[in-house]
Amino acid sequence: NAGVTQTPKFQVLKTGQSMTLQCAQDMNHEYMSWYRQDPGMGLRLIHYSVGAGITDQGEVPNGYNVSRSTTEDFPLRLLSAAPSQTSVYFCASLGQGNTGELFFGEGSRLTVL
Amino acid sequence: KQEVTQIPAALSVPEGENLVLNCSFTDSAIYNLQWFRQDPGKGLTSLLLIQSSQREQTSGRLNASLDKSSGRSTLYIAASQPGDSATYLCAVSGNTGKLIFGQGTTLQVKP
Repeated sequence: NAGVTQTPKFQVLKTGQSMTLQCAQDMNHEYMSWYRQDPGMGLRLIHYSVGAGITDQGEVPNGYNVSRSTTEDFPLRLLSAAPSQTSVYFCASLGQGNTGELFFGEGSRLTVL
Repeated sequence: KQEVTQIPAALSVPEGENLVLNCSFTDSAIYNLQWFRQDPGKGLTSLLLIQSSQREQTSGRLNASLDKSSGRSTLYIAASQPGDSATYLCAVSGNTGKLIFGQGTTLQVKP
């Protein structure tokens, strides 16, 4: 019963490097999203997708790209990492359309030096 | 713009006490409200989901209420235990499915 799986769990990058955080869900959920969690800021929505081929920006999208080629996968790409992107990133998927329960992955802790 | 506020930011109680966590939101046009639990270094686990047409939901020792008109929700924890120590977050969902989170209440239950 995997649910939402994120990889890697930990990553250290140098400023300017690029990387991709992977997210996969096996619940056939249409809606998937990425959040970042920072001390004192709570969780903030980066990007979300309502289905394969459809993505949209959230509250803090700058510096991040997403794509949704399949229902299962929703990778988050950092194009040129900056220290301000040091954070814990969570992927989540939503059951039962817009009114369902949100399921979270375990998180990916990213440090940008 | 929807804003979600949780009070208090931190709470410490002795084991066995009943307690109430508060969540308020500025825009009453919500689809649902969820309460989550987060343990240190872990992801979020959904505790209770209240649809906009509902007034409360119960799961074991947890009871969540929703008053849309006043923009408030409460999470009631009965007979608290040390294992309840965690951060509790509430989030509201609008018609796009996006959730807006409060900053959470960190609960410590002392044995």
